[in-house]
Amino acid sequence: NAGVTQTPKFQVLKTGQSMTLQCAQDMNHEYMSWYRQDPGMGLRLIHYSVGAGITDQGEVPNGYNVSRSTTEDFPLRLLSAAPSQTSVYFCASSYSRSNTEAFFGQGTRLTVV
Amino acid sequence: GENVEQHPSTLSVQEGDSAVIKCTYSDSASNYFPWYKQELGKRPQLIIDIRSNVGEKKDQRIAVTLNKTAKHFSLHITETQPEDSAVYFCAASSQAGTALIFGKGTTLSVSS
Repeated sequence: NAGVTQTPKFQVLKTGQSMTLQCAQDMNHEYMSWYRQDPGMGLRLIHYSVGAGITDQGEVPNGYNVSRSTTEDFPLRLLSAAPSQTSVYFCASSYSRSNTEAFFGQGTRLTVV
Repeated sequence: GENVEQHPSTLSVQEGDSAVIKCTYSDSASNYFPWYKQELGKRPQLIIDIRSNVGEKKDQRIAVTLNKTAKHFSLHITETQPEDSAVYFCAASSQAGTALIFGKGTTLSVSS
């Protein structure tokens, strides 16, 4: 099993550009989530999904969209990138709900200039 | 929604000493409390977790305690080693299992 795979690992965007961060898991996990990590701020929940076709907002959802058309994939879309979205983004998955072990991807370091 | 506070933000100990990190949570419905370790440039990884029906759990040099009445839980690392140096995060999840909320992290430095 590859676990949770994120692409790309690094990305530089210009302000106003859009892009999609990819996340895929091969563990047949129902629950998937996106976090952003900023220095001194810990891991903040952006969006989550409890199963295919179901998504909801986390702590910091503004400026981000998600969809969950399959169990395996949970892409995160930045609609119009802003410098405040410069961060490290982690995708995570859990077997059933958020109250089971979360497995993280390797992260995507995004810089918006 | 859930709010998790974590203290201290930095902790420096000598090799062989014990380290304690404390967290408080706000949602009394939370019932799952994991701890994650993140080494520099790596992804967070689970080191231990505890559920609300248990007061304490140990795994070799690591232990977690939970006080549901006071809504706080702690991570204890005994006989610290340089390889324990990392950022540690506590987290809490509601019984509904819809969100896992993290504290801001503690940077632990173990000097030999």
